[in-house]
Amino acid sequence: NAGVTQTPKFQVLKTGQSMTLQCAQDMNHNSMYWYRQDPGMGLRLIYYSASEGTTDKGEVPNGYNVSRLNKREFSLRLESAAPSQTSVYFCASILDRESTGELFFGEGSRLTVL
Amino acid sequence: TQLLEQSPQFLSIQEGENLTVYCNSSSVFSSLQWYRQEPGEGPVLLVTVVTGGEVKKLKRLTFQFGDARKDSSLHITAAQPGDTGLYLCAGVSDSSYKLIFGSGTRLLVRP
Repeated sequence: NAGVTQTPKFQVLKTGQSMTLQCAQDMNHNSMYWYRQDPGMGLRLIYYSASEGTTDKGEVPNGYNVSRLNKREFSLRLESAAPSQTSVYFCASILDRESTGELFFGEGSRLTVL
Repeated sequence: TQLLEQSPQFLSIQEGENLTVYCNSSSVFSSLQWYRQEPGEGPVLLVTVVTGGEVKKLKRLTFQFGDARKDSSLHITAAQPGDTGLYLCAGVSDSSYKLIFGSGTRLLVRP
């Protein structure tokens, strides 16, 4: 019963390097989200995908790009990492963005940019 | 930009005490959710409230949605060490269906 799976769980990058965070869900959910969590800041929405083939900016999209590869997978890319992007990143999914159901989260990806 | 402000940011209490956590906004939300997060894990849903004035109970936890659907509260009765964690409120925007999170309340219940 996997739910939402994120990889990698930990990553250290140097400033300017690029990387992609992968997310996959096996619950047949339509909507997927990427959040970042910084100490004392709660979770801030980076990008979301209401359905396969669509993506929209959230609160803090600068420096990130996303791809909704198919219904299961939603990736987050950092083209040129900066120390300000050091954070814990969470992927989440929900059956339908109009629903009031539960948002299911992955375990998080801890990224450090030196 | 819709903001959700939570208070207090940090709460340290003795086992058996009662506490209330608040979640406030100047914006109206179509629904509001409360999540609990433990270290190294993603948040897990506790409850969803949809109707203004709605009250939901989950064992020792009582959740209330404000009449105007701009605020919510979480009350814990007789707190236990197992209640320790980060509590997050999250509001669903009427217009965009984005789920916006508050900054969280970190609760520590001492035995």
